[in-house]
Amino acid sequence: QKEVEQDPGPLSVPEGAIVSLNCTYSNSAFQYFMWYRQYSRKGPELLMYTYSSGNKEDGRFTAQVDKSSKYISLFIRDSQPSDSATYLCAMNGFQKLVFGTGTRLLVSP
Amino acid sequence: DVKVTQSSRYLVKRTGEKVFLECVQDMDHENMFWYRQDPGLGLRLIYFSYDVKMKEKGDIPEGYSVSREKKERFSLILESASTNQTSMYLCASNLAGGQYNEQFFGPGTRLTVL
Repeated sequence: QKEVEQDPGPLSVPEGAIVSLNCTYSNSAFQYFMWYRQYSRKGPELLMYTYSSGNKEDGRFTAQVDKSSKYISLFIRDSQPSDSATYLCAMNGFQKLVFGTGTRLLVSP
Repeated sequence: DVKVTQSSRYLVKRTGEKVFLECVQDMDHENMFWYRQDPGLGLRLIYFSYDVKMKEKGDIPEGYSVSREKKERFSLILESASTNQTSMYLCASNLAGGQYNEQFFGPGTRLTVL
């Protein structure tokens, strides 16, 4: 079993939809949870991070962590075609990050 | 802004060739990483380095080696390239002891081995 599981998609939605992206994990020692966004032919860039459980909001993006269920989510409100990218969850392990496989999101106009 | 640069965006090599991928970061980061990214498999850590001349194996080190002679530069070496090493290679760096280990990535090198 992988430490971090993420549905690869693709997830196709119309512009304006609410998007929910999710990851599950098995290591209860993870404390910091991150979402990276990767546009085609580019390297991943940090989008948001959350410490421990709870919610964090940044504009149209909300990151949510439920440590009791070992489940994290990224919500995108009013999705835009420019949000089309691959979204990778990541969690801090010892000296390194553990990444999910990434979910490819396609937002159509 | 942190900048991580990689020597090539696209590279085509033949089976058996020795391949060098170079990565340079300009923010004085102690840690540097090499990943490969494949569809359905995500990012897999090949090697990382937490100091000059230090290296640690990641999850898939077989067929690769690394070199870190200077703090800002981390090289990935494919001693004898094989077709199953065709992939996107990503370099990253971060500060030692950071709270959440945010890594800064380069743009990637798409390597094709024929």
